[in-house]
Amino acid sequence: AQSVTQLDSQVPVFEEAPVELRCNYSSSVSVYLFWYVQYPNQGLQLLLKYLSGSTLVKGINGFEAEFNKSQTSFHLRKPSVHISDTAEYFCAVRPTGSARQLTFGSGTQLTVLP
Amino acid sequence: GAVVSQHPSRVICKSGTSVKIECRSLDFQATTMFWYRQFPKQSLMLMATSNEGSKATYEQGVEKDKFLINHASLTLSTLTVTSAHPEDSSFYICSAREQEQNSYGYTFGSGTRLTVV
Repeated sequence: AQSVTQLDSQVPVFEEAPVELRCNYSSSVSVYLFWYVQYPNQGLQLLLKYLSGSTLVKGINGFEAEFNKSQTSFHLRKPSVHISDTAEYFCAVRPTGSARQLTFGSGTQLTVLP
Repeated sequence: GAVVSQHPSRVICKSGTSVKIECRSLDFQATTMFWYRQFPKQSLMLMATSNEGSKATYEQGVEKDKFLINHASLTLSTLTVTSAHPEDSSFYICSAREQEQNSYGYTFGSGTRLTVV
């Protein structure tokens, strides 16, 4: 079984400041890792994913994440946030080699302040 | 890219009635679709996995007779909330996986806000 921990439920940050949203996971098998963004009353949109290869993954909207196998982490970063980045962010994993469902973290509400 | 259409986006129904939510993959075939429920300020909870042409697999604690899932074609899955009660009010989201082997893509619908009064 897999589990995902997002330690920060809420992250307030000022506009144009950098931000890091933390994600740690636990799994007995190798996994793929994902970050999704959810705007109010909408579904989830994929920001980026790590499948294999380079541990630094770049996604949409200027976000990037780094996979750290030894620390079982997949933190999401953006060097300069905008008001429009205000949303809920979910980290998720699923086992490699199977078509199983995603396991989600509890989410982090990012609020960008003017 | 892959698009999943979920309908309706919002629905209000009376207690005791049934509500059907549709999830369609518009430009790809989805052998597997997932149905999630999301409570306010919480993460997504998987309710069931829907496989085309076969019975859905429900997660522990989800009532099969209350949440009926049908996946009759490679592009359509439906979730019917039967005899809805106020505690069924929630945000329901579907997700579809592309048919290609080893596809990594999971595309989400825009969600349905169900309010039972």
